[in-house]
Amino acid sequence: SYVLTQPPSVSVAPGQTASIPCGGDNFGFKSVHWYQQKPGQAPVLVVYDDYDRPSGIPERFSGSNSGDTATLTISRVEAGDEADYYCQMWDSASDHVVFGGGTKLTVL
Amino acid sequence: EVQLVESGGGMVQPGRSLRLSCVGSGFTFKNFGMHWVRQVPGRGLEWVSRISWNSGGIDYADSVKGRFTISRDNARNSLYLQINSLRPEDTALYFCVKGQTSLPANALSDWGQGTLVTVSS
Repeated sequence: SYVLTQPPSVSVAPGQTASIPCGGDNFGFKSVHWYQQKPGQAPVLVVYDDYDRPSGIPERFSGSNSGDTATLTISRVEAGDEADYYCQMWDSASDHVVFGGGTKLTVL
Repeated sequence: EVQLVESGGGMVQPGRSLRLSCVGSGFTFKNFGMHWVRQVPGRGLEWVSRISWNSGGIDYADSVKGRFTISRDNARNSLYLQINSLRPEDTALYFCVKGQTSLPANALSDWGQGTLVTVSS
């Protein structure tokens, strides 16, 4: 089945930019979505369809998809951005939703 | 405001069954695909199952196929997950999740707070 690969952790200083990669085979025209999960809370959608933001999500959150790597970028990182981040896509070959393993963002 | 409220979790013995429920409000339930996603405490997200708006499309993760059954009642704005032959590895927080649209490739736009299932003798 399709596998999405994320680094277990990323660290960044406040005010800097965090980039969280999500690797997969030939993303092609597949849409990638991103979720933020803070401790004890349900996940929240922060980017959908590679780069779109739901209403209420700050513009500091952005996404991109280069074909074999999707990236969530968080600009001007704040302490409140510390959370686990998951990428996700729909694998039409298996009719399965696939999640990456998650990346813990630490704000130094 | 979209609200998804799960219920039905608890502690059960291996081999027993459980039925999870989810009631949606704040949106037109019948128009959206719905999913169940689970998470072992301290671990990552695992997709479990999805059902299309009219129940015509249903899919399961390989790890639960044959033991779990997803269903919905649009008249009651409700989503269900019947879990049979429970195993210790089914222990997790189960989230009810609304699809962004009726299409399975779209994002999972809204999540409930989850209901905890613990499988232990």
